[in-house]
Amino acid sequence: NAGVTQTPKFQVLKTGQSMTLQCAQDMNHEYMSWYRQDPGMGLRLIHYSVGAGITDQGEVPNGYNVSRSTTEDFPLRLLSAAPSQTSVYFCASSYWGGSLDTQYFGPGTRLTVL
Amino acid sequence: GQQVMQIPQYQHVQEGEDFTTYCNSSTTLSNIQWYKQRPGGHPVFLIQLVKSGEVKKQKRLTFQFGEAKKNSSLHITATQTTDVGTYFCAGQSYNTDKLIFGTGTRLQVFP
Repeated sequence: NAGVTQTPKFQVLKTGQSMTLQCAQDMNHEYMSWYRQDPGMGLRLIHYSVGAGITDQGEVPNGYNVSRSTTEDFPLRLLSAAPSQTSVYFCASSYWGGSLDTQYFGPGTRLTVL
Repeated sequence: GQQVMQIPQYQHVQEGEDFTTYCNSSTTLSNIQWYKQRPGGHPVFLIQLVKSGEVKKQKRLTFQFGEAKKNSSLHITATQTTDVGTYFCAGQSYNTDKLIFGTGTRLQVFP
């Protein structure tokens, strides 16, 4: 099993550009989520999904869109990048049975917005 | 909304000293998890606590869940250089499907 994979590993954008961060898992996990990590602020939940076709907002959803058309994939779209979105982005997945289980994290995407 | 705070933010210790990080939630939690993130890496699951007052041990690491299920702690006995990293707690409140992470405690161990 590859676990949770994320692409790209690094990305530099200009203000106003759009892009999609890819996340895939091969563990048949129902629950997937996106976090951003900034110095001194820990991991903040952006969006999450409890299954294909279902998404919901986390703590900091503004400026980001998600969709979940398959169990395996959970892409994160930046609509119009801003310097405030410079961060490290982590995707995670877990079993979902009403209570959250071990979160398996991907290696992260380091995004810089100029 | 739910908030999870951790103290201290940073801790520097001499190898062999003990270390404790504390986690406090603004809401009652159904469960709490702990993760470790090495520098440049991604968070890795350590343990999950579910019951009020629960205590679990993993070698030199001791995890506690408070009686009111609003706080937790991680204690490391006799730290080693391999313990270096940032430790996060993450809590799920009742009737929600979100896992909210704490702000993390960065541990540095000097040999």
